[in-house]
Amino acid sequence: DTGVSQNPRHKITKRGQNVTFRCDPISEHNRLYWYRQTLGQGPEFLTYFQNEAQLEKSRLLSDRFSAERPKGSFSTLEIQRTEQGDSAMYLCASSFEGSGTEAFFGQGTRLTVV
Amino acid sequence: AQSVTQLDSHVSVSEGTPVLLRCNYSSSYSPSLFWYVQHPNKGLQLLLKYTSAATLVKGINGFEAEFKKSETSFHLTKPSAHMSDAAEYFCVVSDQGGRRALTFGSGTRLQVQP
Repeated sequence: DTGVSQNPRHKITKRGQNVTFRCDPISEHNRLYWYRQTLGQGPEFLTYFQNEAQLEKSRLLSDRFSAERPKGSFSTLEIQRTEQGDSAMYLCASSFEGSGTEAFFGQGTRLTVV
Repeated sequence: AQSVTQLDSHVSVSEGTPVLLRCNYSSSYSPSLFWYVQHPNKGLQLLLKYTSAATLVKGINGFEAEFKKSETSFHLTKPSAHMSDAAEYFCVVSDQGGRRALTFGSGTRLQVQP
């Protein structure tokens, strides 16, 4: 399967702990996106990369969140000092650069902060 | 700024009857528009996309959507609903010809009654 892969699929952590998620995009895609989805809501944009450059970051993204994409391949999303409000599904997507190209989504990482 | 409004949070139809899911968008210029579907415990899947070519766009599983610039709408339709169409549907916009990150609507849950 050459789709977008996310790990882990599920993560339960205690409040105050740090967590890191990984996303492996479709290999030839140079754009990579992170979204967050809570129950009953549409995915909310967090940030995106073109190759290794982080081009856009949501104003909603607090400084506890950081994302990297070293070498323009896989990406990691870290949440420091997790809070219960961080509980959500974290989605990664990838696409080609260009007009109107669709994004392909992974299955997501479900985070539960207890 | 780009945004999407999905006018119905829930739509219920009988199997074999037409489906209409409504979407209005706001965009600075040259939007790319998409419809994604999310089945329970499954990833987001692209149904169809509009990228400034034909205004009537055909997608998978018999769905289609019409881009109406004067009404800033991109409604999703299907002539005859099937039980397997029951899912959450998201209207999505990307500004600047698709070069901006995707912005999702809040979703419409489609129920199909036997």
